[in-house]
Amino acid sequence: DGGITQSPKYLFRKEGQNVTLSCEQNLNHDAMYWYRQDPGQGLRLIYYSQIVNDFQKGDIAEGYSVSREKKESFPLTVTSAQKNPTAFYLCASTRFGTGIGYTFGSGTRLTVV
Amino acid sequence: AQSVTQLGSHVSVSEGALVLLRCNYSSSVPPYLFWYVQYPNQGLQLLLKYTSAATLVKGINGFEAEFKKSETSFHLTKPSAHMSDAAEYFCALAGGYEEADGLTFGKGTHLIIQP
Repeated sequence: DGGITQSPKYLFRKEGQNVTLSCEQNLNHDAMYWYRQDPGQGLRLIYYSQIVNDFQKGDIAEGYSVSREKKESFPLTVTSAQKNPTAFYLCASTRFGTGIGYTFGSGTRLTVV
Repeated sequence: AQSVTQLGSHVSVSEGALVLLRCNYSSSVPPYLFWYVQYPNQGLQLLLKYTSAATLVKGINGFEAEFKKSETSFHLTKPSAHMSDAAEYFCALAGGYEEADGLTFGKGTHLIIQP
């Protein structure tokens, strides 16, 4: 079955470390997205990519970086510049012009220790 | 700028009672609107979507929503609540019939079902 796979499910980061969250989809979707979820804040857009080798900043891109070298993959790196990285991170994808909404992965919970 | 407002961060209903979760939106262009459900430590699952066809939209698990342009609303309802409906619900908006630039989400409503 097609879907989006996020890994790992839980991730612990030490202060000053960079960590990378994986997101892979086999839905042949064009666009991919990273959202951050904090309690009571809803979902906030970090980065998104509409085509390979191109991506745009969302509302809260500072302290994060991404790459889109393959259509299927959109990894997110949380850098040491992100001062409050503890959150639940969700990856999503969609196909243009269909109005199908987004398909979401099951998320990665990142905790700073 | 577009925005989504969900009225009530927590809604509590008795099992078997009507569920009503409120969503109002602001958009300068005709919107696509969505309702998603999230269970603890999981991703979001699409309940239903409005994409400019019928204003009354039926979704999964007995949920439906009505698009009211005059009220800029897209409230979610279910006639009879079930214990399994307890979850977080998010209303989301894509402006201009194009979701490629990212959905705008409300802050969510936590639905509590009392036995």
